[in-house]
Amino acid sequence: KNEVEQSPQNLTAQEGEFITINCSYSVGISALHWLQQHPGGGIVSLFMLSSGKKKHGRLIATINIQEKHSSLHITASHPRDSAVYICAVEGGGADGLTFGKGTHLIIQP
Amino acid sequence: DAGITQSPRYKITETGRQVTLMCHQTWSHSYMFWYRQDLGHGLRLIYYSAAADITDKGEVPDGYVVSRSKTENFPLTLESATRSQTSVYFCASSPGRVGLEFFGPGTRLTVL
Repeated sequence: KNEVEQSPQNLTAQEGEFITINCSYSVGISALHWLQQHPGGGIVSLFMLSSGKKKHGRLIATINIQEKHSSLHITASHPRDSAVYICAVEGGGADGLTFGKGTHLIIQP
Repeated sequence: DAGITQSPRYKITETGRQVTLMCHQTWSHSYMFWYRQDLGHGLRLIYYSAAADITDKGEVPDGYVVSRSKTENFPLTLESATRSQTSVYFCASSPGRVGLEFFGPGTRLTVL
């Protein structure tokens, strides 16, 4: 079974700061997902990537397949970025997605 | 409206009762999934379906039953609810086995 570890578990930062959330996994995968869970509970898919880097607005996701590691970056963070960010992997012998426990991000004005 | 919906959004039931959580999607996605989310565990896959009449177990299937007679619906039934099944349940769909998943708003279930 793939073990998915996220760090940090909790992160509080000031508005405008550059944010990095890390995800590592134990077994080779076919793709990695980053999701955002809003304070109200809804879950939105942000990225799916299997190599390199993807960018959407102020969000950047990178993956290093050899090191089994991915990072999610938020530039010019804003209080509306406050949410739980969840890393999930697919492949590696499991059906569906295997999730990390999430990183709870709070951006203070 | 297009999208994925779940009902009910909140449910309180008693131990031993049967409960069915509904999931409906309008995209005609082939794959549908049921997850539960618990503090300390994150999201875990209960069951998934690759197409109508094709279902398979995930990581935590015990105590749950699913069916998929139509592509757009994927109900999850707790045949005899237990307190350990108190959780938030999310349904998701995807056009393929690999790819972005689209999540429903979740159902918060409390078993007393």
